[in-house]
Amino acid sequence: GESVGLHLPTLSVQEGDNSIINCAYSNSASDYFIWYKQESGKGPQFIIDIRSNMDKRQGQRVTVLLNKTVKHLSLQIAATQPGDSAVYFCAENTAGGYQKVTFGTGTKLQVIP
Amino acid sequence: DGGITQSPKYLFRKEGQNVTLSCEQNLNHDAMYWYRQDPGQGLRLIYYSQIVNDFQKGDIAEGYSVSREKKESFPLTVTSAQKNPTAFYLCASSKVQGYTGELFFGEGSRLTVL
Repeated sequence: GESVGLHLPTLSVQEGDNSIINCAYSNSASDYFIWYKQESGKGPQFIIDIRSNMDKRQGQRVTVLLNKTVKHLSLQIAATQPGDSAVYFCAENTAGGYQKVTFGTGTKLQVIP
Repeated sequence: DGGITQSPKYLFRKEGQNVTLSCEQNLNHDAMYWYRQDPGQGLRLIYYSQIVNDFQKGDIAEGYSVSREKKESFPLTVTSAQKNPTAFYLCASSKVQGYTGELFFGEGSRLTVL
C-alpha cells in the first residue's frame, strides 16, 4: 500500500549549519508533497509544498527537492536556528474524489547551540 | 484571528465512557479532518469531510464517530468500542477549491483513558 517514510528518526545539527531532512514515498499518483513542522505539544504547521511536476521549490530559508525517479523528497533548512528544533513530517496528497493527506512518521531535528 | 479551536486540551476518561472532542474553525474552509497521533509516530487519518452532512472514513475509523451539521464544526466522538483511545487528537481544515495539500491544524486534544 501507499506509505510515506523517513530515513532518520533524529537529526542533530549545529546552530548555523544547514539541515537536510529526507523522506521516501511510494505512491506515484500523489500530486502534492508537503512538509510540516510540529513543535512539542502543538499541532503541525505547514512549511512548504511542491507539486509533482516540479523538482525544486524554495521558500524563506527552506528548499524542498523532489526526485520522482527514486521517489525521494528532502527538506533543506539553511542556517539552522534554535527555533527550528521540532519534529518535521513529510506528507503526500492524493487527489481524485476526496482529497487525502498521508503523513510520514517524522524526523526530530535538534539544534545544538 | 482566523484559526481552528479544539477543546478540551486535556481530557481524562474512564474505560467504557464515550467522549466528544470539539473542533471549530472560522477559516471558511469546506474540508475538515481528524487525525490521531501516538508518541513518536506520524498522524493517522480517522475521518474527513469535504462538505456539510457528508464525511468519509479514514484509515483508522473503527471506534470513532463524527458529524458535520455545520460548516464550522466537526466534533469527534471516541466511543467505548475504541480499544486503545489514549492519544493526541488533531483536527484540521483546508480549502477544497485550489487545494494543494495544505492543512491548518488546531492545537490538539490529549485524551487519557484511566
